[in-house]
Amino acid sequence: SAVISQKPSRDICQRGTSLTIQCQVDSQVTMMFWYRQQPGQSLTLIATANQGSEATYESGFVIDKFPISRPNLTFSTLTVSNMSPEDSSIYLCSVRSGSWDTQYFGPGTRLTVL
Amino acid sequence: GDSVTQMEGPVTLSEEAFLTINCTYTATGYPSLFWYVQYPGEGLQLLLKATKADDKGSNKGFEATYRKETTSFHLEKGSVQVSDSAVYFCALSTPGDNQGGKLIFGQGTELSVKP
Repeated sequence: SAVISQKPSRDICQRGTSLTIQCQVDSQVTMMFWYRQQPGQSLTLIATANQGSEATYESGFVIDKFPISRPNLTFSTLTVSNMSPEDSSIYLCSVRSGSWDTQYFGPGTRLTVL
Repeated sequence: GDSVTQMEGPVTLSEEAFLTINCTYTATGYPSLFWYVQYPGEGLQLLLKATKADDKGSNKGFEATYRKETTSFHLEKGSVQVSDSAVYFCALSTPGDNQGGKLIFGQGTELSVKP
């Protein structure tokens, strides 16, 4: 399995600002995924990030709000732009490793927007 | 579309009790099935998986059997411990599109084990 780290682990931000979350993997992976977990809820996929191409966003998520970079095979960033209190969530990155169907998750970034 | 339904929580058990968390799924293809666990304040950890009908996934005393006829993947453990207190997520993945392996999660079931 892959070892995944995220920065920051948590943050408290003001409305209208932006936060960039970093995800680092200890091995090269083709696909990285970004999820949102709203308080007390399940996980919802935001987008899939392949190295060297534009991220693919799920319905309800747009690039202007959640721009993603994927500069190499071990790293990705997710930016939460122009934040509002409704963006308060845990944001998790994951990677597919070992087989096509299995994903491993980072520890998450706990975001609170005031 | 594909979906996963879990029994609602919270589930509260005494230590050494038997645990069952129900999970059923709807999928157009032949999904792989997973249980993930989220301990308080942490990310998700893969607990176990099964990739085809009648497969049994097991780990740390937990097990689940892929039942195609009932489209179910119930999680069981014979004797729970306080340290098992967490939120458990059932999920599926189908090769479907070119994203391959997109995970669809159930709503999660919170388990609380009392000493």
